[in-house]
Amino acid sequence: KNQVEQSPQSLIILEGKNCTLQCNYTVSPFSNLRWYKQDTGRGPVSLTIMTFSENTKSNGRYTATLDADTKQSSLHITASQLSDSASYICVVSVGFNDMRFGAGTRLTVKP
Amino acid sequence: NAGVTQTPKFRILKIGQSMTLQCTQDMNHNYMYWYRQDPGMGLKLIYYSVGAGITDKGEVPNGYNVSRSTTEDFPLRLELAAPSQTSVYFCASSYPTSGYTFGSGTRLTVV
Repeated sequence: KNQVEQSPQSLIILEGKNCTLQCNYTVSPFSNLRWYKQDTGRGPVSLTIMTFSENTKSNGRYTATLDADTKQSSLHITASQLSDSASYICVVSVGFNDMRFGAGTRLTVKP
Repeated sequence: NAGVTQTPKFRILKIGQSMTLQCTQDMNHNYMYWYRQDPGMGLKLIYYSVGAGITDKGEVPNGYNVSRSTTEDFPLRLELAAPSQTSVYFCASSYPTSGYTFGSGTRLTVV
């Protein structure tokens, strides 16, 4: 069983709508939790980084939350745009050489 | 500032052939990594390096070799290609506590 589980596996929304992606993890303890955006055919790009003591972190229309007690994180996207179509990957870092990657949520934003 | 550059972008190999995936970064990052990404799976660490002359195995090192003769370059060598090595390979670099910068990936097919 993967130590970082993301849901849903895929999601289709209309442009302008909001959405929330979920990440549940079993890794403990950890140093930080990151959300990455991966466009098709490209490498992942960092959106947010949160330490275990942080509850929320924003980057423009992206807001990540972290509940270390329930081992859950979410990524909320506000007022979606067509360019938000991508895979979003949750990564829990135990150490610099021990990053546990989720399989990602594939988001499609339609006009 | 090019970031992390990977070459080639695509390659088809026959079983038993060898090849080197090139990775170079111009950010003077100490740490470099090689990951593979299989469909529906999270990224898996193959090898990593904390500096020139220092390399270490990750989660899935079998069938691969690396070298780190300079800070900038971190090539990944496949000696005897197997169908199981069909994947997308990502190189990344970072400072010890910073987020990763990923390359755009190399899509490898072994037939």
